[in-house]
Amino acid sequence: RKEVEQDPGPFNVPEGATVAFNCTYSNSASQSFFWYRQDCRKEPKLLMSVYSSGNEDGRFTAQLNRASQYISLLIRDSKLSDSATYLCVGMDSSYKLIFGSGTRLLVRP
Amino acid sequence: GAGVSQSPSNKVTEKGKDVELRCDPISGHTALYWYRQSLGQGLEFLIYFQGNSAPDKSGLPSDRFSAERTGGSVSTLTIQRTQQEDSAVYLCASSSTGKSPLHFGNGTRLTVT
Repeated sequence: RKEVEQDPGPFNVPEGATVAFNCTYSNSASQSFFWYRQDCRKEPKLLMSVYSSGNEDGRFTAQLNRASQYISLLIRDSKLSDSATYLCVGMDSSYKLIFGSGTRLLVRP
Repeated sequence: GAGVSQSPSNKVTEKGKDVELRCDPISGHTALYWYRQSLGQGLEFLIYFQGNSAPDKSGLPSDRFSAERTGGSVSTLTIQRTQQEDSAVYLCASSSTGKSPLHFGNGTRLTVT
């Protein structure tokens, strides 16, 4: 089993839709979680950190569920420009940061 | 301030040649990672440096791959006797601690012909 797992998608949604991605992790003691966005042929860029209490940044909300060992990303009012691959990051059993394989989002007009 | 810098941005090499890829992390960042990304694939962890600790080399795919980090700053990833399957984008990232968000360089696109 991979230490950080995501549904690869693609998620194909209309503009204005709300979409949510989940990411499961296996190291219950993981201390750091992040969501990154990666556009085609570009490097990943930090979207947001994920805190235990949950956090929001504009249309984006990140949550951590330690009991079920997953993190989530909610995007409200999707824009065409949100089309990208979303990568979740957690810590593996040796506490280094590792990436999920990414979830592809396509927002259509 | 300057971000993570990688060079070269593109490298084309013949099968069997050795290549060196360079990464200049953000000043003061103690953690440095190398990842590899093949077309349409996720990020594959290669190696992790944290401060003065021994590097975590568990992701290096073969003994043709090696990396070092001099003076806790610049890192070089060396691939010996390159093979066509080594063709990928090699990404370097640094963070201020082992738990902080990673900042990526633009990557080196390696093509082995």
